Amino acid sequence: KNEVEQSPQNLTAQEGEFITINCSYSVGISALHWLQQHPGGGIVSLFMLSSGKKKHGRLIATINIQEKHSSLHITASHPRDSAVYICAVRGSNYQLIWGAGTKLIIKP
Amino acid sequence: NAGVTQTPKFQVLKTGQSMTLQCAQDMNHNSMYWYRQDPGMGLRLIYYSASEGTTDKGEVPNGYNVSRLNKREFSLRLESAAPSQTSVYFCATHLGFLRDEQFFGPGTRLTVL
Repeated sequence: KNEVEQSPQNLTAQEGEFITINCSYSVGISALHWLQQHPGGGIVSLFMLSSGKKKHGRLIATINIQEKHSSLHITASHPRDSAVYICAVRGSNYQLIWGAGTKLIIKP
Repeated sequence: NAGVTQTPKFQVLKTGQSMTLQCAQDMNHNSMYWYRQDPGMGLRLIYYSASEGTTDKGEVPNGYNVSRLNKREFSLRLESAAPSQTSVYFCATHLGFLRDEQFFGPGTRLTVL
């Protein structure tokens, strides 16, 4: 079993829909990251969380440390949100453990 | 500022050939990383350098060597390429352990025939 599991693997939705991507992990962590990989391949950091909730524009990330679970939400989704969203956790050895990613397609 | 740059962007090798992937950063970050990304899998750490002059193995170091030439540059060498090393390679940096955000280069797409 992978230490970081994301669901769903693939998600297709219509423009305007509310999107939720989930990340569960099985190790103790100091922080959890959400990143976005564009269709062209570039990877950018969206959020770093150690507790609670963060919001940036239409993106919201939450984490429940007790349940070892995080969610990334996108409100009013748009085709330009189409990308792979990656969850990663920083474990006790300070290295990042990566999820396999969720491929999101938003149709106009 | 260029951020994190990688060269080359694309490369095709024959089995047994060698090559070096270059990574440079102008962000004055201490830590640098090499990852590979394969379809359907998460990023896997090959090697990392916590600071200038140090390098350590990651999850999948076999078949690779690295050099932290100075604070700016971290290279990844394949001495004898194998088809299993066909992948997209990403270099990443961050300031230090407590400054967690990682910055990524654009990637190098390597095919080994």
